[in-house]
Amino acid sequence: GNSVTQMEGPVTLSEEAFLTINCTYTATGYPSLFWYVQYPGEGLQLLLKATKADDKGSNKGFEATYRKETTSFHLEKGSVQVSDSAVYFCALANNAGNMLTFGGGTRLMVKP
Amino acid sequence: SQTIHQWPATLVQPVGSPLSLECTVEGTSNPNLYWYRQAAGRGLQLLFYSVGIGQISSEVPQNLSASRPQDRQFILSSKKLLLSDSGFYLCAWSVGGGNTIYFGEGSWLTVV
Repeated sequence: GNSVTQMEGPVTLSEEAFLTINCTYTATGYPSLFWYVQYPGEGLQLLLKATKADDKGSNKGFEATYRKETTSFHLEKGSVQVSDSAVYFCALANNAGNMLTFGGGTRLMVKP
Repeated sequence: SQTIHQWPATLVQPVGSPLSLECTVEGTSNPNLYWYRQAAGRGLQLLFYSVGIGQISSEVPQNLSASRPQDRQFILSSKKLLLSDSGFYLCAWSVGGGNTIYFGEGSWLTVV
């Protein structure tokens, strides 16, 4: 079955540092890939997505590239801010596009 | 535009008491509806999934149940809560095979 593995947190960075959160997946076919963000006490918000190999999703300075050869979708940001502190979830959609499989989440803490 | 609402936002219930969490979606028809649970410090677990009125798929065995009495209403229930039912419950929706799933604000349940 489908599965998503992401690096365990917490990840603690200083403001303006470079961020990478690793995500790898196992799936049949060509799933769509997502990053969701959960700010403290809130629900999940879609951050970005990519629907096919070599696509790059981007939003709010975050980027992730769909790498089929390495089955990865790593999240990156060049310069993090304190306001980026949140839990980040990597996810993939099944072939029908109506079911998500989530990774365990990675907590990011950015210190001023 | 589409919106999703769930309530109550927070709930403290004694062990053995019943539960009812409600979720409604506005601005769309025939959505796929989901209930997820996020236990403290852990990832997301899909509990129930519905493609239409009265159609409920259960992903994990438990003492919770779900119902969909109307097209855009999804209810999570329990007759007798357990301590292990504590967590953050998220309602979500998607349309057809569009494969982006959107989440509500979440409901914090503490069973004491």
